[in-house]
Amino acid sequence: AQKITQTQPGMFVQEKEAVTLDCTYDTSDQSYGLFWYKQPSSGEMIFLIYQGSYDEQNATEGRYSLNFQKARKSANLVISASQLGDSAMYFCAMSPPGGSYIPTFGRGTSLIVHP
Amino acid sequence: DVKVTQSSRYLVKRTGEKVFLECVQDMDHENMFWYRQDPGLGLRLIYFSYDVKMKEKGDIPEGYSVSREKKERFSLILESASTNQTSMYLCASSSRRFPLYGYTFGSGTRLTVV
Repeated sequence: AQKITQTQPGMFVQEKEAVTLDCTYDTSDQSYGLFWYKQPSSGEMIFLIYQGSYDEQNATEGRYSLNFQKARKSANLVISASQLGDSAMYFCAMSPPGGSYIPTFGRGTSLIVHP
Repeated sequence: DVKVTQSSRYLVKRTGEKVFLECVQDMDHENMFWYRQDPGLGLRLIYFSYDVKMKEKGDIPEGYSVSREKKERFSLILESASTNQTSMYLCASSSRRFPLYGYTFGSGTRLTVV
C-alpha cells in the first residue's frame, strides 16, 4: 500500500526566507508521480509542482522546487523567498498505484509566513 | 480558465434536508471524486467514479450517494443532512490516460447544516 508522511503539522517562516516542507513516501511501484498542492484559507486546492519518478532533474516552478531524493523516498517542497501569501496548508500527494484510480495524500503542513 | 466548477462556495442547509452538491469539469476526464475535509483529519474520500454511471465507495460513504449521468458532471447527494456533515467538500477529476498527472480540484463548497 502507498503512504505519504508529512511530519510537520505546522511551520513558521520569516518573510523573504526559504522554507522546506518535508514529505516522505512509500510505494512498491517503479513508476509514479509526486505532487504538491497549496490550500489557502479560501479552501481551493491549487496544484504547485509535479515530479515524475524517472525525472532526473528536480522539478522547479518559479519559487517552488521539489527536492527529490529517490533512494531516501523523500520529495520535499522548497519555497524560496517566502511571501505573506504563501501562508496556507500544503499537501504532498502521490499518483495512484497501478490498478487504482485514487491518489494518496498526506495530512498536510500548515505554513505561516511572518512579516 | 476554470476547469472544475463546484456550484456553490458556501451553503447552509437545515437538518433533514436533501442536499445536492454539483461538480462539473471541462477537461474530458474519466475519473471524478468527492472528498470531505475536516480539521486534523485531512482529505477523506467519499465516492469516486471512473466512468459514466459507474460509482465506487470511498472511505466514508455513509449518509451520501452520488450520481454521474454525464461524463462532465458528478453530483454528491446528502439524502438527509445532519449536523455532522458540516464540512468542506472538494470535488476533483483526473485523466485515466495520464494517471501520473494527479488531480484538478474545484474551489470547494463549505456546507453548514443547522
